[in-house]
Amino acid sequence: DAKTTQPPSMDCAEGRAANLPCNHSTISGNEYVYWYRQIHSQGPQYIIHGLKNNETNEMASLIITEDRKSSTLILPHATLRDTAVYYCIVRPIWNAGNMLTFGGGTRLMVKP
Amino acid sequence: ETGVTQTPRHLVMGMTNKKSLKCEQHLGHNAMYWYKQSAKKPLELMFVYNFKEQTENNSVPSRFSPECPNSSHLFLHLHTLQPEDSALYLCASSRGPNSPLHFGNGTRLTVT
Repeated sequence: DAKTTQPPSMDCAEGRAANLPCNHSTISGNEYVYWYRQIHSQGPQYIIHGLKNNETNEMASLIITEDRKSSTLILPHATLRDTAVYYCIVRPIWNAGNMLTFGGGTRLMVKP
Repeated sequence: ETGVTQTPRHLVMGMTNKKSLKCEQHLGHNAMYWYKQSAKKPLELMFVYNFKEQTENNSVPSRFSPECPNSSHLFLHLHTLQPEDSALYLCASSRGPNSPLHFGNGTRLTVT
């Protein structure tokens, strides 16, 4: 699987948009970008995934650059409950074992 | 509520004990997984079950023994563990092997 690079930590003011970057310069054409987050004392939570096009759901938006070498997860109005470690993961479209390789992630701190 | 329930939430066991971790999912998913999360290390995939059949064993020592009696239940049987096996053990499920994972909140295991 292609590797990802994320900043280790970020701060965001409550109510503002949180923009979390991820570099995946070695991604191949048959690999998705997935985002999960892990709130303290909980298991990871799926957020969103995409292949080439930008995606939006009730939790977040995912913006993927045209060359697919990087992406940004956007939480439009961050709340204190969004404080968590956010993981950007690249995985093949067909991945029989659903084997996700979690890296270090970005620790997002949402402050009042 | 994630739809994936793990019990117990906390477990302390000696190296000579035998214990079992339980996972139950109410999402109608067909694939179930065990992950291990140690302090300051990324999540590590341990086992994958698809339609009750084990499809992946990620070089896990035999002191960890999984069991999947049906698509809704997954167990991890533990015996003669080592202190370095202390970690957060996470269960996950997915609709299929290429679908997003839904995690439980884990069992915090301490081996003394």
